[in-house]
Amino acid sequence: SQQGEEDPQALSIQEGENATMNCSYKTSINNLQWYRQNSGRGLVHLILIRSNEREKHSGRLRVTLDTSKKSSSLLITASRAADTASYFCATDRGTSYGKLTFGQGTILTVHP
Amino acid sequence: NAGVTQTPKFQVLKTGQSMTLQCAQDMNHEYMSWYRQDPGMGLRLIHYSVGAGITDQGEVPNGYNVSRSTTEDFPLRLLSAAPSQTSVYFCASSYTPAYEQYFGPGTRLTVT
Repeated sequence: SQQGEEDPQALSIQEGENATMNCSYKTSINNLQWYRQNSGRGLVHLILIRSNEREKHSGRLRVTLDTSKKSSSLLITASRAADTASYFCATDRGTSYGKLTFGQGTILTVHP
Repeated sequence: NAGVTQTPKFQVLKTGQSMTLQCAQDMNHEYMSWYRQDPGMGLRLIHYSVGAGITDQGEVPNGYNVSRSTTEDFPLRLLSAAPSQTSVYFCASSYTPAYEQYFGPGTRLTVT
């Protein structure tokens, strides 16, 4: 089964609105990463948050991590049509070195 | 730097045929991995390698073989193709699983 589960599966918003995606996982982790995938392309790394961090920012992106709830969220502020893509979380588990596990992804559509 | 390159971009095989998907990186990364992506399934780890001469199985290794004779190359071999192996295959590399992964553009494989 997938270690990371994203929620919602699909999100449709208007340009300028904020988009929030959530990721839950089952076992302890070393870090959690978020990736973006444009249609038909490879994945692009967005941000990495370590298990001892609670929040991280990168431009319009804000990631939070709650290890007690085994969950993370990705917030994209002031969304643009170019943000339309699939977003995946990936976890590096504490006891399985080398096995980065991806969730099923959230499909974000930003309407101009 | 070319980053992570994959060949071919597209491939059609008949059931029972074998082939090798090529992956190369020029970033001197120790960690390389292969994923398959199916609709609604996210990315699933097939095999990974933490350095030349060292490989290990991921989540869905059956029907695939890998070797790592050099730091740069990590080919994925399909031993006897089956329709269930129809998928998009991504290769990725990084210094370690704990760091951001660099993905190739993918190989779209169809097995008839």
